[in-house]
Amino acid sequence: QKEVEQNSGPLSVPEGAIASLNCTYSDRGSQSFFWYRQYSGKSPELIMFIYSNGDKEDGRFTAQLNKASQYVSLLIRDSQPSDSATYLCAVLPSGSARQLTFGSGTQLTVLP
Amino acid sequence: EPEVTQTPSHQVTQMGQEVILRCVPISNHLYFYWYRQILGQKVEFLVSFYNNEISEKSEIFDDQFSVERPDGSNFTLKIRSTKLEDSAMYFCATPPREGRENTEAFFGQGTRLTVV
Repeated sequence: QKEVEQNSGPLSVPEGAIASLNCTYSDRGSQSFFWYRQYSGKSPELIMFIYSNGDKEDGRFTAQLNKASQYVSLLIRDSQPSDSATYLCAVLPSGSARQLTFGSGTQLTVLP
Repeated sequence: EPEVTQTPSHQVTQMGQEVILRCVPISNHLYFYWYRQILGQKVEFLVSFYNNEISEKSEIFDDQFSVERPDGSNFTLKIRSTKLEDSAMYFCATPPREGRENTEAFFGQGTRLTVV
């Protein structure tokens, strides 16, 4: 069973702080890693994806991937109340399968 | 602009009834996916559709489910005889651009199915 694990939270950070969201996965051969934001009752919204070890930055968001440790994280700098949502980690596993395996999500609250 | 549009946004149906959920991509995608999310639970893969055929399906996608591309553009997910546990948000998803095989899956806005 290929698993994706996230700390369910809730995680609370003050406005302007850095929010750090973590995700581990069990399938060592996993290829691609995605972070989605999901507001309550809405569909997942793609924030970032990362394929290679290291950091990938896009605006206030930085994704970090460490395949040796089977670990991927998302940093949100200068957190805003509008960032309050559930953040989903999703992994494209090894092999021919093309569907994403999702974690259960981390609920983030940014306090004004 | 969303890559896909789903209809209806909300459907209420009685247990045992058939429902059809629809998805319209804005461009011709070869890959297409259906996911569902039961309230408070993970997003779960149901089925992938490639070039008008089922490519992969999960254990959830049993004989009660079927997918079609009835007119060459729309995609449908049919549940033949709904059960209470089918109540969930159903999302269609697609890669962002034709020709790309990676799964940077963009999700439609979803259909909330409520079985009573």
